[in-house]
Amino acid sequence: DTEVTQTPKHLVMGMTNKKSLKCEQHMGHRAMYWYKQKAKKPPELMFVYSYEKLSINESVPSRFSPECPNSSLLNLHLHALQPEDSALYLCASSSAGQYGYTFGSGTRLTVV
Amino acid sequence: GESVGLHLPTLSVQEGDNSIINCAYSNSASDYFIWYKQESGKGPQFIIDIRSNMDKRQGQRVTVLLNKTVKHLSLQIAATQPGDSAVYFCAEAYGSSNTGKLIFGQGTTLQVKP
Repeated sequence: DTEVTQTPKHLVMGMTNKKSLKCEQHMGHRAMYWYKQKAKKPPELMFVYSYEKLSINESVPSRFSPECPNSSLLNLHLHALQPEDSALYLCASSSAGQYGYTFGSGTRLTVV
Repeated sequence: GESVGLHLPTLSVQEGDNSIINCAYSNSASDYFIWYKQESGKGPQFIIDIRSNMDKRQGQRVTVLLNKTVKHLSLQIAATQPGDSAVYFCAEAYGSSNTGKLIFGQGTTLQVKP
């Protein structure tokens, strides 16, 4: 298995909702990442997990809460989002210390 | 802050021609660079990488050139095909060995005309 799987592919949520994005990989990668990508812009790093521990938080607002329950799973919990948070959320993984990230296809999030 | 950027937002080429996509970076401490391809509705896909101790690396139909003197990176695609149409990002990697941090440039949209 050489893929990163993200679910759901599309999500529409209200500003008072709580939802979660999920990411799964079975490549044995011990580093996992969340990126946010707005239309026609490059992906922007949000969080880095290394060996299931949060190692980088790029000053992301607390309404985004990451979680890494085990070495194969990465979640992003969403609460009280704003319309400007609408974007494509990408998950990636890599071997620890390696930069050849494998990306998932993303979750297209719309906040209404 | 420091960033990686691309020179042109859009590049249009004829099928069969060679394509050259350019990128300028500003962090002279970076030692690893990657080119990614992103097709519509998909995540970025790894194309080729290069370390700062190299100035050229070749893959299948693609070549990456690195000029550290002027902090310039380029991606050459030989015999461009319609399937090459996508957004291309250069990315700059730095950080400790266990907490890799990959920062993307602005991206160039490659359009291949049949």
